[in-house]
Amino acid sequence: DAEITQSPRHKITETGRQVTLACHQTWNHNNMFWYRQDLGHGLRLIHYSYGVQDTNKGEVSDGYSVSRSNTEDLPLTLESAASSQTSVYFCASSAPRLAGAYNEQFFGPGTRLTVL
Amino acid sequence: EDQVTQSPEALRLQEGESSSLNCSYTVSGLRGLFWYRQDPGKGPEFLFTLYSAGEEKEKERLKATLTKKESFLHITAPKPEDSATYLCAVQAYFGNEKLTFGTGTRLTIIP
Repeated sequence: DAEITQSPRHKITETGRQVTLACHQTWNHNNMFWYRQDLGHGLRLIHYSYGVQDTNKGEVSDGYSVSRSNTEDLPLTLESAASSQTSVYFCASSAPRLAGAYNEQFFGPGTRLTVL
Repeated sequence: EDQVTQSPEALRLQEGESSSLNCSYTVSGLRGLFWYRQDPGKGPEFLFTLYSAGEEKEKERLKATLTKKESFLHITAPKPEDSATYLCAVQAYFGNEKLTFGTGTRLTIIP
């Protein structure tokens, strides 16, 4: 069965360190997204990609970067981790809108990141 | 700016007690309204997509409806396993394919 996986599931790091969160999907979806989820804010979009070599900023992109070298993976990098980046991070993927009427996003299990 | 407001924030029901969750939205041209279920420590799980006012979709004890300003998730005779946070999101017709989420309704069904 197709799926979307994230690793690690839990991560504790220190302020100022670089951290990379992995996301891998076997849906063969062109679209991939990174969200963060915080109490009182819901899910907020960090970065997204419509395909290989394509990346775009979302509403809360400061301090984060992504790269897309293949269809399956979209790693999220925190260049210099800050305490404000303590959150739960979700990766999602979807088929392109033009592929049909349905392009719901499928989510991974999440990574809980703590920055001390 | 697209906006989604969900109410109530939390809802406790007795098993078998039917109710509705509300999702009010403003969006510059609605492409789709999505309902997700999220269990503690897990990612959101897709439930429904609604595309036009008047549309309804059902899945087991859940039924989602859509008007031009809001969507309702009706839960009929709920069971304890329906306990979860229910998230609503909208996608605009023009622009990128992102979803704008509400903060969710935390539903607890008491046996």
